[in-house]
Amino acid sequence: QKEVEQNSGPLSVPEGAIASLNCTYSDRGSQSFFWYRQYSGKSPELIMSIYSNGDKEDGRFTAQLNKASQYVSLLIRDSQPSDSATYLCAVNRRGSGGSNYKLTFGKGTLLTVNP
Amino acid sequence: NAGVTQTPKFQVLKTGQSMTLQCAQDMNHNSMYWYRQDPGMGLRLIYYSASEGTTDKGEVPNGYNVSRLNKREFSLRLESAAPSQTSVYFCASSEGISGQPQHFGDGTRLSIL
Repeated sequence: QKEVEQNSGPLSVPEGAIASLNCTYSDRGSQSFFWYRQYSGKSPELIMSIYSNGDKEDGRFTAQLNKASQYVSLLIRDSQPSDSATYLCAVNRRGSGGSNYKLTFGKGTLLTVNP
Repeated sequence: NAGVTQTPKFQVLKTGQSMTLQCAQDMNHNSMYWYRQDPGMGLRLIYYSASEGTTDKGEVPNGYNVSRLNKREFSLRLESAAPSQTSVYFCASSEGISGQPQHFGDGTRLSIL
């Protein structure tokens, strides 16, 4: 089983719609969860972090975490063409020894927002 | 604000050649990272440094060495380049030591023939 799984897409939504991006992870010891946005040919950009079950909202973005189901999602409301990018899910856990962390990235979901 | 600066942006090497990728950050961050990104493989950690003077192996360290020269600079060296090391390399940094990068450089696109 892959450690962090995302649907590669492409996910295509019309402008103004809600885009829903999903991520599952296999390690129940995972403690923190992140979403990065990467435009084509550019570097990743950290856009959201979530540490506890429930929803976290930041502007048009909402991250949702359900540790029991090992599931994290990113909702983008009122999607804009400028949101078209690859969205990377990343999951972090503390390694053995207490001081080392292991962050694992999913392969990303390509989102296309059509005008 | 420069953030994380990587040099060079592009490089073509022949198999067996060596080179060093340079990275510097001006945010006084403690942690720095080197990742590679390949099509279909996602981002994979090569090495990271939680503080000046310390470095640790990531998921794919073979064929690479790193130096945390000071708090600002973290270099990645390929001693004998191989075609399998053709990739896009990203340097990143974060304020804390909890392992998730906050800021990435623009990347180095490296081709090894």
